[in-house]
Amino acid sequence: NAGVTQTPKFRILKIGQSMTLQCAQDMNHNYMYWYRQDPGMGLKLIYYSVGAGITDKGEVPNGYNVSRSTTEDFPLRLELAAPSQTSVYFCASSPDSYEQYFGPGTRLTVT
Amino acid sequence: AQTVTQSQPEMSVQEAETVTLSCTYDTSENNYYLFWYKQPPSRQMILVIRQEAYKQQNATENRFSVNFQKAAKSFSLKISDSQLGDTAMYFCAFMPGANSKLTFGKGITLSVRP
Repeated sequence: NAGVTQTPKFRILKIGQSMTLQCAQDMNHNYMYWYRQDPGMGLKLIYYSVGAGITDKGEVPNGYNVSRSTTEDFPLRLELAAPSQTSVYFCASSPDSYEQYFGPGTRLTVT
Repeated sequence: AQTVTQSQPEMSVQEAETVTLSCTYDTSENNYYLFWYKQPPSRQMILVIRQEAYKQQNATENRFSVNFQKAAKSFSLKISDSQLGDTAMYFCAFMPGANSKLTFGKGITLSVRP
């Protein structure tokens, strides 16, 4: 099993550009999450999903969108990138909403 | 709303010694889960240990154990026989039993000295 995979590993965006961060898991987990981690801080929840077709906002959803058309994939869309979105983004999945398995992260810089 | 506080920004310990990392939390929930996650320089978040609030016995995983004080809302992590590979950031996290949202503390940087 590959676990949770994220692409790309690194990305530099210009202000106003858009991009999609990809996340996939091969563990057949129902629950999936997107977090961001700012320097020196813990992770903050952006969006989460309890199953295909169901998504909900977390603590910091503004500026992001998600979709969950399959169990395996949970892409995060950034529209009109802003410098405040410079962060490291982590995707996670869980079989039961308690123990979460994290991907390796995507480091995004917006300049 | 739940809050998780890790007041120590960094700690250092000699290899083979024991170190305790502190965490306090605030909640009105009675049933919840507490976690310690490790984030090494590779950035990968790794679950170290988990504690269910309804269990009185402290969780243990090999060299890692917790001191869970429910009344004091305290959840500290003890690392015994520290190893160089324990060098990492450690995050305390809280999850209410009713939903699946994790709230993380700011983390503590642990350095293990050879």
